[in-house]
Amino acid sequence: QVQLVQSGPEVKKPGASVRVSCRASGYRFMNYAIHWVRQAPGQGLEWMAWINPGNGDIRYSQKSQGRVILSRDTSADTAYMELTSLSHEDTGVYFCTRGDRTSSLFDPWGQGTLVTVFS
Amino acid sequence: QSALAQPASVSGTPGQSITISCTGTSSDVGGYNYVSWFQQHPGKTPKVLLFDVNKRPSGVSSRFSGSKSGNTASLTISGLQAEDEADYYCSSYTTSSTSVFGTGTKVTVL
Repeated sequence: QVQLVQSGPEVKKPGASVRVSCRASGYRFMNYAIHWVRQAPGQGLEWMAWINPGNGDIRYSQKSQGRVILSRDTSADTAYMELTSLSHEDTGVYFCTRGDRTSSLFDPWGQGTLVTVFS
Repeated sequence: QSALAQPASVSGTPGQSITISCTGTSSDVGGYNYVSWFQQHPGKTPKVLLFDVNKRPSGVSSRFSGSKSGNTASLTISGLQAEDEADYYCSSYTTSSTSVFGTGTKVTVL
């Protein structure tokens, strides 16, 4: 079945960087975008960025621009999200989700990766 | 890009219908029919309820329906059930080729 599996929880110190992976299976990885969404503890969903694995096209939210780096490895059907210069405000759960290129369907979602920034 | 505006909370009794609004601008909600709605129970992954304003993915109950007028989209839950108690979020495509989520609405079944 179509599935996105994310890497495990991370604990980082302020100023460090973290990279979260999102491995796709059950569909042609190149044909769908991967979006990244953040949820801080007790807060709402925040859209961060998306990547088109087919051509490498990337779009970032204004807030993510400059600190978030998206990449992909098409040989491994995996997308990556790197967040640099971490601060305590970056603590939260990070989700990847598959985006359809001709609709606003975001499905499925990865299980989420908890990133804790702790000094 | 500012978050789309949703009411913080909406409540209803079992069997009742409730509507959640999602207000944006002509650069997002008003400019495209690319509005989605998600349900999230505590500690769970978001689940898509509707996409492209009013399309339901396979397996989603017909009790969930969507509409849009101008810069405001709406989600209606008919025949409210206890299991509908959750957080609900809208999202929209934007003119910057990005997406934006709503502020979220907590639905309480009284």
